[in-house]
Amino acid sequence: QPVLTQPPSASASLGASVTLTCTVSSGYNNYKVDWYQQRPGKGPRFVMRVGTGGIVGSKGDGIPDRFSVLGSGLNRYLTIKNIQEEDEGDYHCGADHTSGNNFVWVFGGGTKLTVL
Amino acid sequence: QLQLQESGPGLVRPSETLSLTCTVSDDSISSNSYYWGWIRQTPGMGLEWIGLIYYSGSTYCNPSLKSRVTMSIDTSKNQFSLRLSSVTAADTAVYYCARQITGDVNWFDPWGQGTLVTVSS
Repeated sequence: QPVLTQPPSASASLGASVTLTCTVSSGYNNYKVDWYQQRPGKGPRFVMRVGTGGIVGSKGDGIPDRFSVLGSGLNRYLTIKNIQEEDEGDYHCGADHTSGNNFVWVFGGGTKLTVL
Repeated sequence: QLQLQESGPGLVRPSETLSLTCTVSDDSISSNSYYWGWIRQTPGMGLEWIGLIYYSGSTYCNPSLKSRVTMSIDTSKNQFSLRLSSVTAADTAVYYCARQITGDVNWFDPWGQGTLVTVSS
């Protein structure tokens, strides 16, 4: 099954842009990943799904246009433009892996985004 | 807007069974369009998928937890449940329930607010 790797932390100044990275392990180049936002003390919230061709399907409810995704090689990127204080929190990526009649969901370790 | 709410004891003794229930705010739990899932988050760590249950009672489970996990669903009460046996301190986590649409757009959305379960004597 794939392993998803995320940097533990990132930071950006208010109004700036930041790109978060989720790297899929070798051999899983075509995998799509889902991005989730988790604000402090809250449950995760679906942001959007990304494959090598970009966004797959639609954004989650209420996700602003400032959020976008890109996929390249083994990397799946989430870019946030014009960062706001409300964007601070943990960002997780996840993917499902099917093997025969079974499947398993895997998640990255999460990236803690600090808004300066 | 659909809401999910986890409930259950916040403290479980080692070697005992953790039991949680997720209450869904509408009757979509009876629909063949959704799976219902459990995911946990250990303190300071990432998310770990526990398993999924379908309205029919079919289940899919993380192989690393399969021997200790039992999931059930009660569509008459709009609830589904998780039981995790023989718990240890490593099972201390925030447990979330979430909905997953069947098919290609099968991400988890929405999630509950989570409930902290501590395993301690």
